[in-house]
Amino acid sequence: DVKVTQSSRYLVKRTGEKVFLECVQDMDHENMFWYRQDPGLGLRLIYFSYDVKMKEKGDIPEGYSVSREKKERFSLILESASTNQTSMYLCASRSGGPSNQPQHFGDGTRLSIL
Amino acid sequence: EDQVTQSPEALRLQEGESSSLNCSYTVSGLRGLFWYRQDPGKGPEFLFTLYSAGEEKEKERLKATLTKKESFLHITAPKPEDSATYLCAVHSNFGNEKLTFGTGTRLTIIP
Repeated sequence: DVKVTQSSRYLVKRTGEKVFLECVQDMDHENMFWYRQDPGLGLRLIYFSYDVKMKEKGDIPEGYSVSREKKERFSLILESASTNQTSMYLCASRSGGPSNQPQHFGDGTRLSIL
Repeated sequence: EDQVTQSPEALRLQEGESSSLNCSYTVSGLRGLFWYRQDPGKGPEFLFTLYSAGEEKEKERLKATLTKKESFLHITAPKPEDSATYLCAVHSNFGNEKLTFGTGTRLTIIP
């Protein structure tokens, strides 16, 4: 089974802080994704990466950056946290090859910015 | 722009009462339609992928079907453990890696 592990289930930070969310997958997947999930808005793609050191913007990249130094690890960085970034953050991974293969998700990090 | 609309937003059923969840989509060439189950406080769990109209997939009490405009998730004789939010997502030919998600149907099965 695919295992996607997010380092924290719950996180509370203050506005202006730099926040790091970490995600690790154990299936040697090439592709990794960061989403945020908000009530009534569904899942929205922030960034994705299709290879080490490669990244692409999703629909809502403003205020975020990402890092992928190793294949199994994909980090989401909130450069200067703001209250409107309070949300559930979900990491996912997918194998290479046909892009219609399913994405597999971690259990999420519920982030509160005070 | 790709769009996914799920209905109803919430559904309460008695245990054993069969029903269907709807996912209507508009997409520029469908590459795949995905169904996920999400339990409270957890990430989405993959259920099915459907690739072309007429295709059907089954898993225990769940059966997913696909037409050119919508997908249905049929649940037969549900049990309380089937209570969850069910999410639908589409991947289009022109969306690179992007999945477009619906906002989900929250299903509650009453014992």
